[in-house]
Amino acid sequence: GAGVSQSPRYKVAKRGQDVALRCDPISGHVSLFWYQQALGQGPEFLTYFQNEAQLDKSGLPSDRFFAERPEGSVSTLKIQRTQQEDSAVYLCASSLQLPSGGNTIYFGEGSWLTVV
Amino acid sequence: RKEVEQDPGPFNVPEGATVAFNCTYSNSASQSFFWYRQDCRKEPKLLMSVYSSGNEDGRFTAQLNRASQYISLLIRDSKLSDSATYLCVVMKTSYDKVIFGPGTSLSVIP
Repeated sequence: GAGVSQSPRYKVAKRGQDVALRCDPISGHVSLFWYQQALGQGPEFLTYFQNEAQLDKSGLPSDRFFAERPEGSVSTLKIQRTQQEDSAVYLCASSLQLPSGGNTIYFGEGSWLTVV
Repeated sequence: RKEVEQDPGPFNVPEGATVAFNCTYSNSASQSFFWYRQDCRKEPKLLMSVYSSGNEDGRFTAQLNRASQYISLLIRDSKLSDSATYLCVVMKTSYDKVIFGPGTSLSVIP
């Protein structure tokens, strides 16, 4: 497809379970972002990649969260030992070049995680 | 203090009304500014960029005030289809970390 693709769209995890969320950015896009969005809130920055380099992971809420983009395209956000407060929509976004160069950031539809 | 702040609303306005949203940012080094629109249970989508000189796109006007560190969005002649959450977006230049505000909810009522 032409857009940012995320999977799974919906995930219900038992507390303590590990989850992996996948993002396929638009082909050729250099920048890739992960955001966490709780109900009624704006997206909160988690981490940012430029190609395979993770330039900023300051938004990851704990060491249970880990993201990678080993070949500079597909990215995976992994959450270990999920807790109820991890329940949120996880949005992936990509842009062609550095966003401050005026390139639009395109979002995927999100992965809706519910921890029970 | 959050880096980007917005009045969460909700703003409930009648069709045809003019409505304005403000957004303040804390980092004076911020260089790029955008408004995104997010419909219920959908992903955010770019509405418009915000340029230093101000810019207009149809019924939408965006303005930037660097001295006071705020940006604004004005919607004229509101339509029912404008009902959504409007997200203010700020980018720094050092490595382009992208920060979203919490969003302002707009409901346009018939």
